[in-house]
Amino acid sequence: NAGVTQTPKFRVLKTGQSMTLLCAQDMNHEYMYWYRQDPGMGLRLIHYSVGEGTTAKGEVPDGYNVSRLKKQNFLLGLESAAPSQTSVYFCASSQMLAGAGNEQFFGPGTRLTVL
Amino acid sequence: RKEVEQDPGPFNVPEGATVAFNCTYSNSASQSFFWYRQDCRKEPKLLMSVYSSGNEDGRFTAQLNRASQYISLLIRDSKLSDSATYLCAVNTPGGGGADGLTFGKGTHLIIQP
Repeated sequence: NAGVTQTPKFRVLKTGQSMTLLCAQDMNHEYMYWYRQDPGMGLRLIHYSVGEGTTAKGEVPDGYNVSRLKKQNFLLGLESAAPSQTSVYFCASSQMLAGAGNEQFFGPGTRLTVL
Repeated sequence: RKEVEQDPGPFNVPEGATVAFNCTYSNSASQSFFWYRQDCRKEPKLLMSVYSSGNEDGRFTAQLNRASQYISLLIRDSKLSDSATYLCAVNTPGGGGADGLTFGKGTHLIIQP
């Protein structure tokens, strides 16, 4: 049981390039999330999904797109990378359980640098 | 006012001591509260959920004060391995039940031998 996995672990892009970050979970969770973490800013929600085929915007969605074609996968796309998107990206998943709230479990992160 | 606020520290605490952190939140509609632990260059890991009645897990105790809108984390008999950044997280009320979490910036704890 791998939990939440993310690929790639590291990536360096040039301004204007595109890329897709992949998140996969094997816990059969309905909900998945993408966050970014920057020094001094904490974790901020980019986009999230409440189920296969659905996505919604979070706090900082501009410059990113997402897709949830399969329940276990949540993709984050950067169409035209900018230096401001240099960050550590974390994916998380959760399953709402009665009495337990929305406990989210995180993947190991992707460190992205945009030059 | 920021949505979730924490004292960034660092808190330098001798091994074996008791240490407590607070976290304040601004959205009175928030329903779920969590403490996460994050080690350097690693992902956040769920430490414990915070229930209205409080929650205790070994050396760790979490409390919720809805009237004053803060949650707390108490660590007793601190160990060197407790050194980490502790993140407070509060649910962001939204649709579908898949509430995103709003995180504080974290409190850095250093346990000294």
